[in-house]
Amino acid sequence: GQQLNQSPQSMFIQEGEDVSMNCTSSSIFNTWLWYKQDPGEGPVLLIALYKAGELTSNGRLTAQFGITRKDSFLNISASIPSDVGIYFCAGDRNTGNQFYFGTGTSLTVIP
Amino acid sequence: KAGVTQTPRYLIKTRGQQVTLSCSPISGHRSVSWYQQTPGQGLQFLFEYFSETQRNKGNFPGRFSGRQFSNSRSEMNVSTLELGDSALYLCASSPAGFGAASYNEQFFGPGTRLTVL
Repeated sequence: GQQLNQSPQSMFIQEGEDVSMNCTSSSIFNTWLWYKQDPGEGPVLLIALYKAGELTSNGRLTAQFGITRKDSFLNISASIPSDVGIYFCAGDRNTGNQFYFGTGTSLTVIP
Repeated sequence: KAGVTQTPRYLIKTRGQQVTLSCSPISGHRSVSWYQQTPGQGLQFLFEYFSETQRNKGNFPGRFSGRQFSNSRSEMNVSTLELGDSALYLCASSPAGFGAASYNEQFFGPGTRLTVL
């Protein structure tokens, strides 16, 4: 099935640093979701985006819906150890509630 | 409000057997989607059920099937298990109403870890 291109694949950063990751697709999406997954658990919804150009924040997390509708970005400011996990983007083309997922970004925060 | 629950959490089967996984969505949610997650392929969409009907289907063989009951609970069945079916199977529910994009936000359960020996 289709997957979104997510980068970087992994990141190792120092506590306190900012993080940026992005997701791109060859198709236009009408909804972008960002999830975080801890080992052995299901993904947890972080941020939802519905309009091109939209910028939405959730605490230290900020995500943007690209104006071309083919990409999205997630930024984490002032990272802390509990930010460790795998971050996924997901896009929906509104073809009936079917989401396509990115390949994931593994984040490691070094105290 | 209780979250999405999946049972069992862990399962070990042998090749050729069949397995049934269960998912209870968040109360009031009408859509249930199933995903297979493996290290090599990531999260792959299996199918989505809405009001007891399969509304979307991914590219998986017919050995993978599902159903949804009138209370929105869903089951997924895999017949004639193969080694490659070992994965984390995730279920996600959403309100799936009309008129608001937020009705499509999906909330995941903890998953069922299936190991096929």
